[in-house]
Amino acid sequence: AQTVTQSQPEMSVQEAETVTLSCTYDTSENNYYLFWYKQPPSRQMILVIRQEAYKQQNATENRFSVNFQKAAKSFSLKISDSQLGDTAMYFCAFRASTGTASKLTFGTGTRLQVTL
Amino acid sequence: NAGVTQTPKFQVLKTGQSMTLQCAQDMNHEYMSWYRQDPGMGLRLIHYSVGAGITDQGEVPNGYNVSRSTTEDFPLRLLSAAPSQTSVYFCASSSRTGVTEAFFGQGTRLTVV
Repeated sequence: AQTVTQSQPEMSVQEAETVTLSCTYDTSENNYYLFWYKQPPSRQMILVIRQEAYKQQNATENRFSVNFQKAAKSFSLKISDSQLGDTAMYFCAFRASTGTASKLTFGTGTRLQVTL
Repeated sequence: NAGVTQTPKFQVLKTGQSMTLQCAQDMNHEYMSWYRQDPGMGLRLIHYSVGAGITDQGEVPNGYNVSRSTTEDFPLRLLSAAPSQTSVYFCASSSRTGVTEAFFGQGTRLTVV
């Protein structure tokens, strides 16, 4: 079974600054995918970024990038130039590429507050 | 673009009542899942399906029932609601092939009194 751990329940960052959210996971799978989802107050789950485990290059999406360390089983999210609209709950999630690929395992989330 | 449609968005039930949360997707996804979200616990898998006619239990299946008679629909039934089932429920779908993320419905906030 997979586990996903987010050790930062809450974080705060000033507008235009950079913040990094941590995520570690445990799995015996070799091929898998990792995701960061954003959940604003509207409750909608929005994909922020995804990483394929077989790719060594870290994924980037505009102001969002990840630091993927496969050996350390670490998958942190960096948000650059933080904006007020980034205020949300952020969830790290794991999905195997085969077998249990239909299931996502989530961390407990990090609540991010962007302040003026 | 409808994506994943969940109904209702809000519901209040009395203890012991039954109800069905509806979920429909129009993306022809093979995989569909139900999660519940509770404070401090993230999203936990209730039941999931890998295709029509095939369902299986997730992490927290007790008190819930599902069926998948078509690719599009995956309803979640609460057989006899309990206060412990007060939660936000999400339906999600994803494709079996490729590196695709799960697409989520808007969620249902359920309160059992």
